[in-house]
Amino acid sequence: DAKTTQPTSMDCAEGRAANLPCNHSTISGNEYVYWYRQIHSQGPQYIIHGLKNNETNEMASLIITEDRKSSTLILPHATLRDTAVYYCIVRAAGGYQKVTFGTGTKLQVIP
Amino acid sequence: GAVVSQHPSRVICKSGTSVKIECRSLDFQATTMFWYRQFPKQSLMLMATSNEGSKATYEQGVEKDKFLINHASLTLSTLTVTSAHPEDSSFYICSARGGGDGYEQYFGPGTRLTVT
Repeated sequence: DAKTTQPTSMDCAEGRAANLPCNHSTISGNEYVYWYRQIHSQGPQYIIHGLKNNETNEMASLIITEDRKSSTLILPHATLRDTAVYYCIVRAAGGYQKVTFGTGTKLQVIP
Repeated sequence: GAVVSQHPSRVICKSGTSVKIECRSLDFQATTMFWYRQFPKQSLMLMATSNEGSKATYEQGVEKDKFLINHASLTLSTLTVTSAHPEDSSFYICSARGGGDGYEQYFGPGTRLTVT
């Protein structure tokens, strides 16, 4: 699996958009970008994933650059409950690849 | 969405005893289950992967005789920490995946183990 680089921590004001970057310059053509988050003392929660097109669901939007070497997870209106560690993971297509975690970004939403 | 449960959510045991953690897929059949361990302020580390009816595959550095994994059915996997010691105190998280291409990995809520 390709390696990812994320900032260690970020702050975001409540109600504002949280933009979490991820670099994955060695991503292969068949690898997807996945985002998970882990709220303190809970199991990881799937957020969104994409291959090359931008994706949006009820939780977030995922913007992938044209060269696919980086992406941004956008939480449009951050709330205090969005405070968590966010993990960007790249892995091959299909369900057979296991999910391995890097260090992630600690997002603190501030009132 | 698919739900994975773990039991117990937290357990305290004495040093030298064994403790079993259960992981269940509630609304799908999990052909593969994964066990992770997370120490405070660290990321999740994969311990082992198990396929239903087969022996588990352990990651490098994980003692298979200490962390016994059983995946006897398509909805249940167990992790037994044998002869637990204080350094085994950690947050243990299981994950389950159904069969077929494209099936995602779903995570349980975790089990907090404290060895005294």
